[in-house]
Amino acid sequence: KAGVTQTPRYLIKTRGQQVTLSCSPISGHRSVSWYQQTPGQGLQFLFEYFSETQRNKGNFPGRFSGRQFSNSRSEMNVSTLELGDSALYLCASSPMTGLNTEAFFGQGTRLTVV
Amino acid sequence: GNSVTQMEGPVTLSEEAFLTINCTYTATGYPSLFWYVQYPGEGLQLLLKATKADDKGSNKGFEATYRKETTSFHLEKGSVQVSDSAVYFCALSDLQGGSEKLVFGKGTKLTVNP
Repeated sequence: KAGVTQTPRYLIKTRGQQVTLSCSPISGHRSVSWYQQTPGQGLQFLFEYFSETQRNKGNFPGRFSGRQFSNSRSEMNVSTLELGDSALYLCASSPMTGLNTEAFFGQGTRLTVV
Repeated sequence: GNSVTQMEGPVTLSEEAFLTINCTYTATGYPSLFWYVQYPGEGLQLLLKATKADDKGSNKGFEATYRKETTSFHLEKGSVQVSDSAVYFCALSDLQGGSEKLVFGKGTKLTVNP
């Protein structure tokens, strides 16, 4: 069974640009969550999608957005990039939501904003 | 809100030494507790979990017991190997309105020398 796939693995963007990251969950998984990992703040929850609906959102500005498609694939978008958005962005998928099920993580997308 | 505190390290041990990484949590209710491991350049992998008080999670020689009275979930291994070198994250599940997110500690970097 293929794992969680995130693309691209590495990305360099300029301040002010926007970026879209993609996540393909494990087949059959309907819940997709996104996390931001930085050396200073650690791992922080961005949002969670289940059946194309955003069920939960972390404490991030509106520049961070996401969506989920009918095949459960998810994208997150960051507009007007800032230097502080440089981070490893991790996607996790689960079969369900709200049932303390295991989250399976992808390898992440390393975003560098210059 | 819910939070996790873990010893930040770094921790450096010799092969076959005993490992303890402390983790305590603050939460309303009784969340599930997890230890995740991150190898260099990789995403997170679930190491073990416990879903209720007094449960012991175990995997690959690692163990952790859910202690409600001390709100702790310390990670232990009797004899570490060089291949255990990684960053370890303690986490709890935070259920909100049917959606689950993970709340992570800051991570503990473990280096095991031959």
